[in-house]
Amino acid sequence: GAVVSQHPSWVICKSGTSVKIECRSLDFQATTMFWYRQFPKQSLMLMATSNEGSKATYEQGVEKDKFLINHASLTLSTLTVTSAHPEDSSFYICSARDLLRGTQPQHFGDGTRLSIL
Amino acid sequence: GESVGLHLPTLSVQEGDNSIINCAYSNSASDYFIWYKQESGKGPQFIIDIRSNMDKRQGQRVTVLLNKTVKHLSLQIAATQPGDSAVYFCAETFGNEKLTFGTGTRLTIIP
Repeated sequence: GAVVSQHPSWVICKSGTSVKIECRSLDFQATTMFWYRQFPKQSLMLMATSNEGSKATYEQGVEKDKFLINHASLTLSTLTVTSAHPEDSSFYICSARDLLRGTQPQHFGDGTRLSIL
Repeated sequence: GESVGLHLPTLSVQEGDNSIINCAYSNSASDYFIWYKQESGKGPQFIIDIRSNMDKRQGQRVTVLLNKTVKHLSLQIAATQPGDSAVYFCAETFGNEKLTFGTGTRLTIIP
């Protein structure tokens, strides 16, 4: 149980393109999902907290107009990297909390490797 | 600001031996701690957790120890196997809010 799925797992695109990443909780409902970014050989850095039916909360230094988050249902959150540039290349990972359980731990997806040419 | 860090960035252990991965945290208010395992190209996988009202918790081949006095967390893996090779992260949180991850330790199991 507690499976989180991300799609796509890997994307390569040209600079200036917008890329959408999906995060789904497959067997539980999640009012809260989290988006992380991980550069090579580094830790996970929280970008934003996605709340179902309301605006996302962004961490300091993360541009909300650059990284658009939509959490339209209890099982789906999307992250759109708008006008992506090479410096946006990274490993993007989402996680979700089980609504019924209410508490930790967060369950993580297998990430999306984004490469901007 | 507050941070969670690890003492050793890399650790090599002979297969079958026990391993210990350490983590220091600075937020004394943190009340929940988790160890995650991350294999190459994958997301973090939950290993074991512990709440601040405990000082030890055991799972299958893994034990987490919490020392609140010195704000230290450790993960012990018994009888290591090749499949244990990965990067291990500790994470902390307070009041069921967002997680703060440590810097990670790469564990390599030597056959």
